[in-house]
Amino acid sequence: EPEVTQTPSHQVTQMGQEVILRCVPISNHLYFYWYRQILGQKVEFLVSFYNNEISEKSEIFDDQFSVERPDGSNFTLKIRSTKLEDSAMYFCASVREMNTEAFFGQGTRLTVV
Amino acid sequence: GIQVEQSPPDLILQEGANSTLRCNFSDSVNNLQWFHQNPWGQLINLFYIPSGTKQNGRLSATTVATERYSLLYISSSQTTDSGVYFCAVDIPTFGRGTSLIVHP
Repeated sequence: EPEVTQTPSHQVTQMGQEVILRCVPISNHLYFYWYRQILGQKVEFLVSFYNNEISEKSEIFDDQFSVERPDGSNFTLKIRSTKLEDSAMYFCASVREMNTEAFFGQGTRLTVV
Repeated sequence: GIQVEQSPPDLILQEGANSTLRCNFSDSVNNLQWFHQNPWGQLINLFYIPSGTKQNGRLSATTVATERYSLLYISSSQTTDSGVYFCAVDIPTFGRGTSLIVHP
């Protein structure tokens, strides 16, 4: 069964460093999403991506964040200068078309020290 | 934006008990999904259910879109059912979840 794959599963980084979180969505899906979940809290929307551009973003998704789909298969989230409060689980999701089921990856646990 | 409220926020059960989790949403939706977040933090798809009723083993779900709510039923609960259950509508909006603990 096709699945969304995220790497790495866990990343530890020093405050101020750049990190790139990677996702491989399901191959025939067209819509891609990043979410984050701070430990013990709700799952928060960050950004959605369609047709090689951002379609929607939340207020959390500030200038420190960027997304791209560099090669038609990978979908990446970059955090330019990490802060302690960026420590969270980051989830990638993909959807084949609007108003259909979303499939989530297993998450990347980011720890900023 | 749309508001999603889940109840109860916390639930403690003895193994074998049944339970009902509720998700209310503030506006009409095109999508609704239920997820189980396991102890490792993974989000496991349970149901994609914008309307109607579905069943999968001991779990079933019903969404009444016209009345803006969905229910997740867990029958004969097991300790492995422990975790957080999230309702999400129109991806991207998640509720705050129901934290379920099932004691042996």
